[in-house]
Amino acid sequence: EAGVAQSPRYKIIEKRQSVAFWCNPISGHATLYWYQQILGQGPKLLIQFQNNGVVDDSQLPKDRFSAERLKGVDSTLKIQPAKLEDSAVYLCASSSGGDNEQFFGPGTRLTVL
Amino acid sequence: ILNVEQSPQSLHVQEGDSTNFTCSFPSSNFYALHWYRWETAKSPEALFVMTLNGDEKKKGRISATLNTKEGYSYLYIKGSQPEDSATYLCAFIRGFQKLVFGTGTRLLVSP
Repeated sequence: EAGVAQSPRYKIIEKRQSVAFWCNPISGHATLYWYQQILGQGPKLLIQFQNNGVVDDSQLPKDRFSAERLKGVDSTLKIQPAKLEDSAVYLCASSSGGDNEQFFGPGTRLTVL
Repeated sequence: ILNVEQSPQSLHVQEGDSTNFTCSFPSSNFYALHWYRWETAKSPEALFVMTLNGDEKKKGRISATLNTKEGYSYLYIKGSQPEDSATYLCAFIRGFQKLVFGTGTRLLVSP
């Protein structure tokens, strides 16, 4: 079974630039999550999709972050414009829902200079 | 705001040592607790999903217990090996499938 795919794996940009990350979840998983993991902290949920609808985006900084999951399959997360404090690992995960385990992608390590 | 705390923050043991970590979480409205292992440069990988008070789960040399009334879970590793070196994350679910992660325990096992 193919796992959760993410790209790119690494990205270095300057502040005020834009960046986009892509995620393809495990086939058949209805629930997709984007997490931000800042060094020394646990992953923080940014947004959760159920199919192509948003379930929770309460911790998404909506002035600069946006995410979409068209057709309820793959998803993109965008930051525009980036700030220094956005430097983090961005993890995508998917699950079949409920209290089931989440399957994570390898993450994208973003460095904002 | 939910607070999930893990201790210790980091741990350095010798190969063959047994070790354990603690995850503390709010005891009200408990739904589930997850344990994940995150090795450097790899994806976090689920170890256990625990839902019932008194649950004990085991996978090889790793086991976990759950006390939902007092709000804690222990993860045990028996006879640590260098390949066990990783960050161990616990995550708490109160509802709506939203995981709240702790900051993790970084384990280093020296040969």
